[in-house]
Amino acid sequence: DIQMTQSPSSLSASVGDRVTITCRASQGINNHLAWFQQKPGKAPKSLIYAASTLQSGVPSKFSGSASGTNFTLTISSLQPEDFATYYCQQYNNYPLTFGPGTKVDIK
Amino acid sequence: EVQLVQSGTELKKPGESLRISCKGSGYTFNTYWISWVRQMPGKGLEWMGRIDPSDAYTNYSPSFRGHVTISADKSISTAYLQWNSLKASDTAMYFCVRQTSTYAFWSGYYPDHWGQGTRVTVSS
Repeated sequence: DIQMTQSPSSLSASVGDRVTITCRASQGINNHLAWFQQKPGKAPKSLIYAASTLQSGVPSKFSGSASGTNFTLTISSLQPEDFATYYCQQYNNYPLTFGPGTKVDIK
Repeated sequence: EVQLVQSGTELKKPGESLRISCKGSGYTFNTYWISWVRQMPGKGLEWMGRIDPSDAYTNYSPSFRGHVTISADKSISTAYLQWNSLKASDTAMYFCVRQTSTYAFWSGYYPDHWGQGTRVTVSS
């Protein structure tokens, strides 16, 4: 199985901050990497696929990038509605695997 | 508007059987795959398996193969997740998620829309 790691596991940030979350795959995944946002008690929401392509309706403050097996999710200016847990997922190989999540909370 | 609507909360006893559902609307159901994802209380997301409703072909995570069954009825645009004998450790929230079945090398079979989740509690 492909192992996905995320860092940090949690972070505290202020409204307006630029936030970057990193995800690493244990082997190459052809940039078949998705990012999701989950708020407490809610279903995850798809943000990005193919490492850097925004899902329809997702604001442009979210962006993704890739370099080999390293991936980043950046939120350009954190807003109150962005405080949530973020997960990456590789969908290149079965079984599909998720990272452990990064919780973003208010400083 | 694409929607995946899941069946409601379940409270079951160990050893009982259960089938939960995920009904798709706003798109042609058998042109997208459906995956199931588990989230145990306070934990992360785990991919369980997926089905292609057009031909019922399935893939399972080794962690779940043999314990759950994924099926679909394309005539009513519904996918299912089934247990024959529940355990207390099956207590979790379960989500269905749509995946594109049209492959492009740059994008792969990417996921997009999620169901709202079904809470399953297994307790004696």
